[in-house]
Amino acid sequence: RKEVEQDPGPFNVPEGATVAFNCTYSNSASQSFFWYRQDCRKEPKLLMSVYSSGNEDGRFTAQLNRASQYISLLIRDSKLSDSATYLCVVPSRGGGFKTIFGAGTRLFVKA
Amino acid sequence: DVKVTQSSRYLVKRTGEKVFLECVQDMDHENMFWYRQDPGLGLRLIYFSYDVKMKEKGDIPEGYSVSREKKERFSLILESASTNQTSMYLCASSFPDSLKFGQGTRLTVV
Repeated sequence: RKEVEQDPGPFNVPEGATVAFNCTYSNSASQSFFWYRQDCRKEPKLLMSVYSSGNEDGRFTAQLNRASQYISLLIRDSKLSDSATYLCVVPSRGGGFKTIFGAGTRLFVKA
Repeated sequence: DVKVTQSSRYLVKRTGEKVFLECVQDMDHENMFWYRQDPGLGLRLIYFSYDVKMKEKGDIPEGYSVSREKKERFSLILESASTNQTSMYLCASSFPDSLKFGQGTRLTVV
């Protein structure tokens, strides 16, 4: 099993829709998780950190399910500007400072 | 605004050349990282450093080396560039665990 897996999408949704992505991980000892956003030809930027059961920031909610070993990202009231690739990041099973990036989920929000 | 700055946005090099990619951060971060990003493969860790002169191999270190002589600067070296090293290279620093990335260097080896 890969250390982290994401549905690559693409997800095509209309403006105003609610969309959710899941990310599964294999390291049951992981304590901290992250969602990054990456626009086309740009660097990834931190969107949200998830340290306990979840986190909410405006239209974005991240939830952690330790029993099933997945984290989710929910985007409500989608905007055109939300179109991007969303990367899930988890600590490496090897520990230390290494983190593992998922391959990303592409989101297209259409007018 | 805090920054991670990579020396070049685009580079074209010839096979066999020695290539230096430079990265500077102004946040006094201990940890610095070099990743490469390829379509369908995501970001893969090449090397990281947790202190000056300290380095650790990542998942794909073959064909690369690094140098960290000063805390703010982390250099990635391609000893003898090959066409399979054509990629987007991303430098990042972190404290404590979330990453701040540079703008990336798109390297093409011909």
